[in-house]
Amino acid sequence: QSVLTQPPSVSAAPGQKVTISCSGSSSNIENNYVSWYQQLPGTAPKLLISANDKRPSGIPDRFSGSKSGTSATLAITGLQTGDEADYYCGTWDDNLRAGLFGGGTKVTVL
Amino acid sequence: EVQLVQSGAEVKKPGESLKISCAASGYSFRSYWIAWVRQMPGKGLEWMGIIFPGDSDTRYSPSFQGQVTISADKSINTAYLQWNSLKASDTAMYYCAKARGSSARDWFDAWGQGTLVTVSS
Repeated sequence: QSVLTQPPSVSAAPGQKVTISCSGSSSNIENNYVSWYQQLPGTAPKLLISANDKRPSGIPDRFSGSKSGTSATLAITGLQTGDEADYYCGTWDDNLRAGLFGGGTKVTVL
Repeated sequence: EVQLVQSGAEVKKPGESLKISCAASGYSFRSYWIAWVRQMPGKGLEWMGIIFPGDSDTRYSPSFQGQVTISADKSINTAYLQWNSLKASDTAMYYCAKARGSSARDWFDAWGQGTLVTVSS
């Protein structure tokens, strides 16, 4: 059971929007930056969103991140078949004094 | 260009020792934290621990403290993950990942390709 809670799966048709939630607590998300990673099948994870809502160079603006209190959200608009992947949130936990990842969310394009 | 190149797949028996590596290039190795992340078959990412090669300051997740050893050799820009006595439950893909800045709390902006470790009798 992950300290950061994500829905196991979300799905939508091409062109639609999906949102993925990441729920934590005051010891992690509320007081630390949240990042998001995309893991395409059979590949290493890749940074998608840093510092809650910043897109690294080369990441399309279809991907956006936000944070409020003890939760964070990744939104993907204009969904494409190439977006089918597992998505993970990550942050630091002040009590554990260690990093954390959410359990991951599988995005399926219908 | 930042690159993290990990050592090749390993097949080991329970009780054996193992050290896998992550060779960094394209940036100042001693100035950025490097983490190790486990992914068991069909499962999610797990943060294991992180090291600052400049002074070898190391932090471990409580789940992995005492189970593995993280080290780094700044003379050859390489980080390591080591086990003294492997268990079948150590079977997983292991990734190294470079932190963005000078804090262990930072996000990971580069990842290695992964090293598959299989432990089986």
